[in-house]
Amino acid sequence: EVRLVESGGGLVKPGGSLRLSCAASGFTFSSFSMNWVRQAPGKGLEWVSSISSSSTYIYYPDSVRGRFTVSRDNAENALYLQMDSLRAEDTAVYYCTRFGDRSAFDSWGQGTLVTVSS
Amino acid sequence: EIVLTQSPGTLSLSPGERATLSCRASQSVSTSYLAWYQQRPGQAPRLLIYAVSNRAAGIPDRFSGSGSGTDFTLTISRLEPEDFAVYYCQQFSNFRFTFGPGTKVDIK
Repeated sequence: EVRLVESGGGLVKPGGSLRLSCAASGFTFSSFSMNWVRQAPGKGLEWVSSISSSSTYIYYPDSVRGRFTVSRDNAENALYLQMDSLRAEDTAVYYCTRFGDRSAFDSWGQGTLVTVSS
Repeated sequence: EIVLTQSPGTLSLSPGERATLSCRASQSVSTSYLAWYQQRPGQAPRLLIYAVSNRAAGIPDRFSGSGSGTDFTLTISRLEPEDFAVYYCQQFSNFRFTFGPGTKVDIK
């Protein structure tokens, strides 16, 4: 069974940093691209970053480019999101997702809440 | 960037009724990368439909997807109590993913 478990969320002040982690199990992690998707309270879904299986290709939307850095450790079956220069509008539940061989996000974690507030 | 628009914003229906949800793109979308997700309250989203019309593993056949170009539809043939949720369409192009704003299907 595919399992994705996020951790690292919490309360941080504007301008601060936070590092999210996602522990993957139940599949060959090194064979899949992975993504982060967030959801602000009461709002819709927003894609935050993508990283290919071997970290060769990395993509971000304009809203986080230059502030967020995605990385992975295939030996540890782990995905990371380093978030710097955080803003109030980054407050959201952050989900780790797998980009499956059906070209869609076929597995999701339960999410971790990041709150940016003074 | 391709913008996705979903309509209606809210669909109020009774169990057993048919639901038709629309997703319109600002430019033509590759059919390989048009997906639908369901999100129940308090839960993570889950994949329903990929590549426009293919049901994901374990998804009942009352869910179907169709469309091409810029217009796509998710149909739920007969609503079950567990289908009352929010539905999002998603596309991928030019190395970017975008989601529609969602359609909430609630109980009438």
